[in-house]
Amino acid sequence: QVQLQESGPGLVKPSDTLSLTCAVSGVSINNNNWWAWIRQPPGKGLEWIGYIYYGGATYYSPSLKSRVTMSLDTSKNKFSLKMNSVTAVDTAVYYCVKTGSLLSRYFDFWGQGILVSVSS
Amino acid sequence: DIQMTQSPSSLSASVGDRVTITCRAGQNIGNNLNWYQQKPGKVPNLLIYDSDTLQKGVPSRFSGSGSGIDFTLTISSLEADDSASYYCQQSFDLPLTFGGGTKVAIK
Repeated sequence: QVQLQESGPGLVKPSDTLSLTCAVSGVSINNNNWWAWIRQPPGKGLEWIGYIYYGGATYYSPSLKSRVTMSLDTSKNKFSLKMNSVTAVDTAVYYCVKTGSLLSRYFDFWGQGILVSVSS
Repeated sequence: DIQMTQSPSSLSASVGDRVTITCRAGQNIGNNLNWYQQKPGKVPNLLIYDSDTLQKGVPSRFSGSGSGIDFTLTISSLEADDSASYYCQQSFDLPLTFGGGTKVAIK
């Protein structure tokens, strides 16, 4: 059974770096899937942040590209998100998500989500 | 970016009603359109992918249709458990984008 679980601080100070990790079980991150991050501000809709593939390819939303880095740790079957220079508008629930396949970019398995608040 | 526009933004319907939600893409996206259900405080759940393919385990009262620019999610007979927000998402081109959501309430 595929499971994803986010971890990281729930509170980040403005201008600091947000760092989250997603632990994956039930499937290898070396599979032919994209491993994505999606966020949802409180009471608002869903926003794709970007995704990464075990082969090393990464794609980020143009609106966040300058502040985002994603990486994989295949030995631990985990992947990570770093977002620097955060502000209050980055307050959101952050989900780590798996796509159906490299070609089928729908999101079939989601983590439970982690609320990250940006506040001093 | 491909803009995804959902309508209506909210609706209220009775149990047993047929409910239709539409999603319009800003350009031709073929059949690369997916639908998600999100109940309050819960994680989004994939309902339909590639416009009309029902995800495993999703009740058959949900169906999707459309291609190109206009797409539809239909609930054939609304149940109380269907009270949720519904989002469309295009997987045709990067950045992947979502519609603004449709909130379905039960009368």
